[in-house]
Amino acid sequence: SYVLTQPPSVSVAPGKTARITCGGNNTGSESVHWYQQKPGQAPVLVVYDDSDRPSGIPERFSGSNSGNTATLTISRVEAGDEADYYCQVWDSSSDHPVFGGGTKLTVL
Amino acid sequence: QLQLQESGPGLVKPSETLSLTCTVSGGSVSSSSYYWGWIRQPPGKELEWIGSVYYSGGTYSNPSLKSRVTISVDTSKNQFSLKLSSVTAADTAVYYCARLSSGWVFDNWGQGTLVTVSS
Repeated sequence: SYVLTQPPSVSVAPGKTARITCGGNNTGSESVHWYQQKPGQAPVLVVYDDSDRPSGIPERFSGSNSGNTATLTISRVEAGDEADYYCQVWDSSSDHPVFGGGTKLTVL
Repeated sequence: QLQLQESGPGLVKPSETLSLTCTVSGGSVSSSSYYWGWIRQPPGKELEWIGSVYYSGGTYSNPSLKSRVTISVDTSKNQFSLKLSSVTAADTAVYYCARLSSGWVFDNWGQGTLVTVSS
């Protein structure tokens, strides 16, 4: 089945840019979605279809997807961005959604 | 504003069946535009999709759980439900219900409910 690989952790200083990657076989041909999950809370969609933002999500959150890697970029990182981030695709070969293992973003 | 709320027992004994219901407000499970799904997250671990249901009753589920999973929809109550049979401690998790939108994206989630499997 389809596997999405994320780094376990990413650290960034406030005001800097964080990049979280999501690797998979030819992810560039799939639509990748990103979720933010703060401790004790449900996941929240922050980017869908590679690079679109739901209403209410700051422009600081952006996404890209090419080749075998999708990337979530968070600009001007704030303390409130500290959370776990998960990528997700639809595995068309097995007809079901697949989540990455998650990345813990730490704001230094 | 769409809201989803999970409900059901927080403690289930091993070998028994876990049963949860998701009540939808501010939207309709009868909409042909969406699927409705269940996702779980064991403590400290990643998200795992369990299965999804369409308003017509059509379902599909994670192959790793398929033999134990039953998902149904009740349009009259605007709810959908999950049953997971023969549970073990490995099924202890926070269970979320969510709406699955165009592009196969989970765009709205319930707050989640912790289910512990223990005697």
